[in-house]
Amino acid sequence: DAMVIQNPRYQVTQFGKPVTLSCSQTLNHNVMYWYQQKSSQAPKLLFHYYDKDFNNEADTPDNFQSRRPNTSFCFLDIRSPGLGDAAMYLCATSRVGHTDTQYFGPGTRLTVL
Amino acid sequence: QKEVEQNSGPLSVPEGAIASLNCTYSDRGSQSFFWYRQYSGKSPELIMFIYSNGDKEDGRFTAQLNKASQYVSLLIRDSQPSDSATYLCAVNGPGGYQKVTFGTGTKLQVIP
Repeated sequence: DAMVIQNPRYQVTQFGKPVTLSCSQTLNHNVMYWYQQKSSQAPKLLFHYYDKDFNNEADTPDNFQSRRPNTSFCFLDIRSPGLGDAAMYLCATSRVGHTDTQYFGPGTRLTVL
Repeated sequence: QKEVEQNSGPLSVPEGAIASLNCTYSDRGSQSFFWYRQYSGKSPELIMFIYSNGDKEDGRFTAQLNKASQYVSLLIRDSQPSDSATYLCAVNGPGGYQKVTFGTGTKLQVIP
């Protein structure tokens, strides 16, 4: 089945230790998104790629970076995680069109010690 | 600034009843509207999308859209305990490629 896959599902890191989260998709969608979601809050868009074009949200901290080496894969790098970065990180994909429906991966739960 | 408003709940309904979840949005140019279900600790799962005024039915779920009132709702008929989750409303903008804005969600509790 076509799907969005995230690895790892759970990530524990230490304060300040860089971490990379990965997302892959078999949907052949041209847009990939990274969201941060904290408890009882709406998903917060960090950035997205439309094909190879990177689009950063204005309020996304510089501590967060992303790479999309090809259509199928996208990575979220957190250069120096702080305690406030503990959250669920969600990857989503969509195909540009009338509805632009986004499909989410299972998420990665990040814990910062 | 796009805004999507939802009552955070919890909305409690007895098993078998109809649950009605509501969402208002501020961007009058919005074209597509989505309902996602999110279980605790899980990622959002698409329930339905709607882009035309009126009702759209899929099984026990009905989405209703009223663009004049900037209002979208989700009805869940014959509510089951397994429907207990947070329901996120999401709205995107006019034309082609757009980002969506999510509401903070309504927590639904179906009481057996």
